[in-house]
Amino acid sequence: AQKVTQAQTEISVVEKEDVTLDCVYETRDTTYYLFWYKQPPSGELVFLIRRNSFDEQNEISGRYSWNFQKSTSSFNFTITASQVVDSAVYFCALSEGEALTGGGNKLTFGTGTQLKVEL
Amino acid sequence: EAQVTQNPRYLITVTGKKLTVTCSQNMNHEYMSWYRQDPGLGLRQIYYSMNVEVTDKGDVPEGYKVSRKEKRNFPLILESPSPNQTSLYFCASSKRRDSTHNEQFFGPGTRLTVL
Repeated sequence: AQKVTQAQTEISVVEKEDVTLDCVYETRDTTYYLFWYKQPPSGELVFLIRRNSFDEQNEISGRYSWNFQKSTSSFNFTITASQVVDSAVYFCALSEGEALTGGGNKLTFGTGTQLKVEL
Repeated sequence: EAQVTQNPRYLITVTGKKLTVTCSQNMNHEYMSWYRQDPGLGLRQIYYSMNVEVTDKGDVPEGYKVSRKEKRNFPLILESPSPNQTSLYFCASSKRRDSTHNEQFFGPGTRLTVL
């Protein structure tokens, strides 16, 4: 069974600080996908990144970066120079890739990390 | 514009009064799912559908029904809502699974309160 753990329930930082959100996953599949979603106070889910299990390259997109390490089953997310607009709940999610039946592309979500960025 | 729509966005109802939350997508996706989001639990899958007339239970199906009579629509039915179904509900759709496409598109969410 797949599982995603986000051990940090809530993080508070001061604007311009760097912050890393941790994500640890469990799966028996060799092919899988990892995701990060942002949920601002308005409630919608905003897709941030998808990474497949065969691509361990770290990715940077502006102030956002992701560190994928299969050896530790982690997919951590770093925001550099945080801003108040980054305040949101962030979800890490896992989808197993090769099964053609069951789950319907099911995403297994972590419990989320509430990030508060203060002035 | 490619999107998943849900209606209503907000609903307050009373225990036992049947309700339906509609979900529609315009991307010709085969897969559709319903998730519920609860504090401290993240999002959990309720039901999913792999294509028209093909539906199956997710992780938390009790108290819910779904149907998939058309490809674009996947309504969530609560026959007799109870207060423990108070939650934020998301509909999602995605293409048939293949090696490159595994992204789910989410609707805007429906906030349901059952009194």
